[in-house]
Amino acid sequence: GAVVSQHPSWVICKSGTSVKIECRSLDFQATTMFWYRQFPKQSLMLMATSNEGSKATYEQGVEKDKFLINHASLTLSTLTVTSAHPEDSSFYICSASLGPNEQFFGPGTRLTVL
Amino acid sequence: AQSVSQHNHHVILSEAASLELGCNYSYGGTVNLFWYVQYPGQHLQLLLKYFSGDPLVKGIKGFEAEFIKSKFSFNLRKPSVQWSDTAEYFCAVSSFRDDKIIFGKGTRLHILP
Repeated sequence: GAVVSQHPSWVICKSGTSVKIECRSLDFQATTMFWYRQFPKQSLMLMATSNEGSKATYEQGVEKDKFLINHASLTLSTLTVTSAHPEDSSFYICSASLGPNEQFFGPGTRLTVL
Repeated sequence: AQSVSQHNHHVILSEAASLELGCNYSYGGTVNLFWYVQYPGQHLQLLLKYFSGDPLVKGIKGFEAEFIKSKFSFNLRKPSVQWSDTAEYFCAVSSFRDDKIIFGKGTRLHILP
């Protein structure tokens, strides 16, 4: 089946540093990937839609300059949290689209900002 | 804007009990509906989905869901739960216009052995 990986699975960083999270579709090509954020005991909130070779589309309220998304190839999208602060601590999940309304999710990355 | 409401945040059942998790959505157009499951320590997996056709949808592991258009509902059911069904369950909706999936807040299901 379609497999999506994320790296790292967890990361701890100091306030003010930047953190990069990778999302890879391992056995299929994905022109579209999605980035979600999940707070404890809450739902997944869509942050942005990442399209290969073009700029990401951000949801309302998501800071483009803070959450940089790059989708450089059909199997890789990266999310960089710039100048991270404790309030950015969360669980970040990506998904890759195999076709219309067919998304496969990665295992998530837990970010803790001290 | 689309939204999804799940009625129960936390459900505790004994093994062999019947399960029904409520889900209502808000959207004016044609929708696709999903139930996802997240087992402890694992990533989201698709349980079942409804795009069109028979409103009673069968999924994996004995789950089913019924789409009732007039009630904007897509409740998840299982006649007899097992301890291994302990997980978090998310109802979700997307429109035909784009691939964006909007999730409900999730229901944490705990099955007592």
